[in-house]
Order: sequence, then C-alpha cells, then structure tokens
Amino acid sequence: ILNVEQSPQSLHVQEGDSTNFTCSFPSSNFYALHWYRWETAKSPEALFVMTLNGDEKKKGRISATLNTKEGYSYLYIKGSQPEDSATYLCAFMSGFQKLVFGTGTRLLVSP
Amino acid sequence: ETGVTQTPRHLVMGMTNKKSLKCEQHLGHNAMYWYKQSAKKPLELMFVYNFKEQTENNSVPSRFSPECPNSSHLFLHLHTLQPEDSALYLCASSQEEGLAGARNEQFFGPGTRLTVL
Repeated sequence: ILNVEQSPQSLHVQEGDSTNFTCSFPSSNFYALHWYRWETAKSPEALFVMTLNGDEKKKGRISATLNTKEGYSYLYIKGSQPEDSATYLCAFMSGFQKLVFGTGTRLLVSP
Repeated sequence: ETGVTQTPRHLVMGMTNKKSLKCEQHLGHNAMYWYKQSAKKPLELMFVYNFKEQTENNSVPSRFSPECPNSSHLFLHLHTLQPEDSALYLCASSQEEGLAGARNEQFFGPGTRLTVL
C-alpha cells in the first residue's frame, strides 16, 4: 500500500510570515508529484506537477522542490497572505498509475 | 472556475433511495475520475475512465455504479447506500490518464456533499 504523508497537519501563521510544508512519498518507482491548493467551498486547483529529481518550481510567492531519491517534496510560501489560507495537498504517482493523495496541510494566515 | 461542474452540490438521501451524481467537463480532456473524501481521510480514487472506457475500479462496492456516456460527461449512480458512504464526492478530469498522464494536472469540480440517513 502506497503511503503519502504530509506534515504538519495544520499550521497557523501571521500575515507576512514565511512557511513551508513537507510531503513524503515512497522513493521507488516514481513518476510524478503533484501539489494542489484547496480553498474551502471551492475546487482543488493544481499548483505544480513535478517529475524530475531536483526540480524546483515557482508560482508567485509559492515554490516547491523535489527529491525523488529520498522521497520528499517541500512547498514554500514566502510572505504569507490571508488569501493563502487553504489546504495544500500533495499527490504521488508511481508505476501503479494512479494518484495517491496525502491528507493535506491546512494553512490559516491571520491578518 | 476550473471547467469541471458537478450537480447537485448537496444531496441527502435515505438508504433505500436511488440517486445520481453528474459531472461535466468543458476542457476537451480524455480522462475523467471519481474521488471520495471522507472526514479526516485523504482523497481516495474510486473510478477512472479514459475515452469513455473504465480503466480503474478501486475496489468500490457495487452500490456505486459509474457511467461515462461520452468524454465530457460522467455519472455516479447511487443505490442502497450506507450511512458510512456519507462523504464529499469529487469529479476530476485530465488530458490523459495513467502514466501517459503523469505530467497532466487534474482539474477538479467543486464536489457533491452526500449525506446518507
């Protein structure tokens, strides 16, 4: 059974703080790692799809890194804003050909 | 708006009812998915369709019956559900499925919140 772990489960920061989350996944048979952002009452939206060891991707204040050999990805948010409050999901695809999701990190940014 | 719509958004049904969830995507994608999210659990894949053909049934009980009449529409027919089936049901689509689609992000609908009494 493939297991994707995300930590922390939840996080409460102040506006302007920078923060990061971790996604851990099996290091064998890797094909892709997805990050999604899910705001309450909305649809999950893709942030990044990462496929190569050492990949770094950036979208505005949000960036992600990938280490497939040790099985982890970090998501960073620089200068958090209240609108960044959401649940951040990572999902791993292996040779079994389906995305396996973690339980997410719930971020709350207070003004 | 992600280009994936789901109806209804909320559904309350008894254990003897028959109901259907509908999903529609306007993105020209070839693959469509049903996911289930129960409280405090990760998103769990239920079914995958690629070009209208079912390619994955993740050991889902037969009281859930999917239907994909074309690449744009996906249904989930519900029959004789149990209270533990109460959850958020999400539909998603992507350009391709499986390893060919590993690099394709999935586009999700807003979900149907199902309550089984």
